[in-house]
Amino acid sequence: QVQLQESGPGLVKPSETLSLTCIVSGYSISSGYHWGWFRQPPGKGLEWLEWIGSINHSGSTYYNPSLKSRVTISVDTSDNQFSLKLSSVTAADTAVYYCARDNNLGTPDYWGLGTLVTVSS
Amino acid sequence: QSVLTQPPSASGTPGQRVTISCSGSSSNIGSNYVYWYQQLPGTAPKLLIYRDNHRPSGVPDRFSGSKSGTSASLAISGLRSEDEADYYCAAWDDSLSGPVFGTGTKVTVL
Repeated sequence: QVQLQESGPGLVKPSETLSLTCIVSGYSISSGYHWGWFRQPPGKGLEWLEWIGSINHSGSTYYNPSLKSRVTISVDTSDNQFSLKLSSVTAADTAVYYCARDNNLGTPDYWGLGTLVTVSS
Repeated sequence: QSVLTQPPSASGTPGQRVTISCSGSSSNIGSNYVYWYQQLPGTAPKLLIYRDNHRPSGVPDRFSGSKSGTSASLAISGLRSEDEADYYCAAWDDSLSGPVFGTGTKVTVL
């Protein structure tokens, strides 16, 4: 069974960089698929879900055009994990962040549990 | 915000069949796969249907998906109390270069 688990700070200061890591178990990232990051404002429905971007096993990245200038997604196949960095954060970046395996680019089949990241001083 | 339109609510009694529609356009549903998710409050989404009409292992065969042109549907047959949740469709959108999610449908079991 594919399992994903997000980890990282739950509180980030404005203007700093948000960093999260997703540890994958039950499937080797090297075997294929895209691996993505999404975020959802707290208490909002899935219609508010925002795709941040995705990466494949060889390191090719695909970013949401509206966030592209601030986002870096990387993959570490040896540790079977991938990471997200979002720079220059503001309160608008406060959200529940999910990592996921994309069945097709941007549309997941397996999701992590999600982690709330709050941007506040 | 959402470019995929769903009815805000649907309901039925236990055992009944409920159908949820999802209307899009040629840049999303009309040219890409449709996915259906269930989300309970405070939890991660759960995949119900992938690539228009395929069911992941573990999802009951009471759930089925279909697509025609720029619209898709999710059907829940033999409605059960545990099906009470919010349901969302999703598809990649070629014009936006990203996925789009539906407006969501709250299913109530009467």
